[in-house]
Order: sequence, then structure tokens, then C-alpha cells
Amino acid sequence: SQTIHQWPATLVQPVGSPLSLECTVEGTSNPNLYWYRQAAGRGLQLLFYSVGIGQISSEVPQNLSASRPQDRQFILSSKKLLLSDSGFYLCAWSTTGATYEQYFGPGTRLTVT
Amino acid sequence: SQQGEEDPQALSIQEGENATMNCSYKTSINNLQWYRQNSGRGLVHLILIRSNEREKHSGRLRVTLDTSKKSSSLLITASRAADTASYFCATVFSGNTPLVFGKGTRLSVIA
Repeated sequence: SQTIHQWPATLVQPVGSPLSLECTVEGTSNPNLYWYRQAAGRGLQLLFYSVGIGQISSEVPQNLSASRPQDRQFILSSKKLLLSDSGFYLCAWSTTGATYEQYFGPGTRLTVT
Repeated sequence: SQQGEEDPQALSIQEGENATMNCSYKTSINNLQWYRQNSGRGLVHLILIRSNEREKHSGRLRVTLDTSKKSSSLLITASRAADTASYFCATVFSGNTPLVFGKGTRLSVIA
């Protein structure tokens, strides 16, 4: 069966520090991968998605970036965090195809102080 | 915006009652999906309904889709305290576009 891992679960970082959040998927090949951010009590904002290694689509211009160095690995990064980067970050995967049912990881709670 | 909008934003009911949440969207869709999120957790896929379907059932869940009104509803029958969560609708507009999520309905089921 497929599983998705995210780490760390929680993170407190000072403003201006770098960020690296990692997401890995097991049990499937060539998944579509997604990064979302959720502000407190709000909906999901799609940040990046990837349909293959090295292929990244950015939905929202900001100081975050994403990379997909391996088929089942998706990394969210920042060189310098802003206070507004605080939130709940969710990674998700889906199979390629028309249904786009997505499977989510447990999330990372990021607090920028 | 193409984002779906759930209504109501929050809903509080007694255990055993039915809960109905609605979702409206603005453009033609390929399919519509409902997800549940427990506090502080990732989202869990509940049900998918395609644009050529009008109703689907899964256990205590019933989803309807009215493409002429661009709306969908999620009915949870005989609710339980464990159903307390936020519920999101998400739409797929065409073959290769990512899901677009609404802002969600927060459901509280009181025992």
C-alpha cells in the first residue's frame, strides 16, 4: 500500500532563517506531488505541484521554492523565512490521470518567530 | 476565482442528527471531491463525483451534484462525535489542472 511521509511534524524558526521540508511517498511510481499551505482556520492554498522529476509548477509567487530530486521525493525550501510563512504545510500525491484523488501527508506546523 | 465555496462556514449539531454541507463553484468541472480534515491533521479523501453523475453514496455519506446550478451537497446521516472535523470540497476543472479547494465547513457534533 502507498504511504506518504512528511517531516518534521513541527518547526519553529526565526525570521530570516532557511527552511527545508521534506515529503516522500512509498508504494507508487511517478506520482503527481503537491505542496499546500493552510493558514489557521482557512482553506488550502496550492503552492507547487510536480508531474515528474525536475518538473515544478508554481502557483503563487513568493519566497518559497520546491524541488523534486527523485521520483517520490518533494522538497519545499526557503532561503529566508518571513513571518507570513507561518502555517500548516501539507504534502499530497495523486496518480496521474483524470480522477486526481489526492492523498495527504500528516503536515508540518511551521511557526516563524 | 474558480475556488469552490462551502456553506455554511460552521455547523453545530447533536449526535444522531444529519449534517448537510453545500459547495458552489463557478466554472464547468470534470469532477468534484469531498475531503475531511481532523484538527491538526492531513486531509482524507471521502468521495468523488464526476460531472455526469448526480448522486453517490458511501456508507453514511451521500453526495449530490447539480451541474446546472454549479453546486454540490454532502450529507452525513446519523452523525457521531467522531465526525467532528472540517469538510472541504475540491473541484477539477479540466484534465490536467490541479484540485482547487474551498475554505471548508467546520462541523461540530455534540454528544
